[in-house]
Amino acid sequence: SQELEQSPQSLIVQEGKNLTINCTSSKTLYGLYWYKQKYGEGLIFLMMLQKGGEEKSHEKITAKLDEKKQQSSLHITASQPSHAGIYLCGADLDDYKLSFGAGTTVTVRA
Amino acid sequence: ETGVTQTPRHLVMGMTNKKSLKCEQHLGHNAMYWYKQSAKKPLELMFVYNFKEQTENNSVPSRFSPECPNSSHLFLHLHTLQPEDSALYLCASSQGDRENTEAFFGQGTRLTVV
Repeated sequence: SQELEQSPQSLIVQEGKNLTINCTSSKTLYGLYWYKQKYGEGLIFLMMLQKGGEEKSHEKITAKLDEKKQQSSLHITASQPSHAGIYLCGADLDDYKLSFGAGTTVTVRA
Repeated sequence: ETGVTQTPRHLVMGMTNKKSLKCEQHLGHNAMYWYKQSAKKPLELMFVYNFKEQTENNSVPSRFSPECPNSSHLFLHLHTLQPEDSALYLCASSQGDRENTEAFFGQGTRLTVV
């Protein structure tokens, strides 16, 4: 079983609509990272959350880490075609090692 | 541009070939990683080097051989690979301590084994 569960696996959203991706861990998250990957390319860092209850925003993307530090959500407001891609959550679960979820493929339809 | 450079970007090799992937970072990081991403699978950690010492080897077959000559360079030597080894190989680096675990990724090498 995976240490980080991401949901949904994929989603299709109409341009202008909002979307939410979740990332859940069975262990305490010492650091939670959201990345975006364009198909077949390297990961682009979006944001990092470390404190329980923390929330960060960048342009139309908001990420939250719950109080118990075992779940995070990524929310995109008024999606645009540029938001299409694979979103991965990564977490620091053990010393120096990053673990990743399976990713969520986002398709934005015009 | 993340500061982590991988070469080559694409590689096609036969099962009897020997090739090497290269990763370079000048971010002053002490930890470097090799990841493998196969289609529809989560990113798999392969190797971790911290201060040039290998600290993690996630049951990777011996046909993959990492080398870290200094904290700025990381290699992945490949020999007698199998078609199922075809994947995107990503290199990453981080500061290497718990307070600074943010990883910066290279663009990856798309490897095809024929």
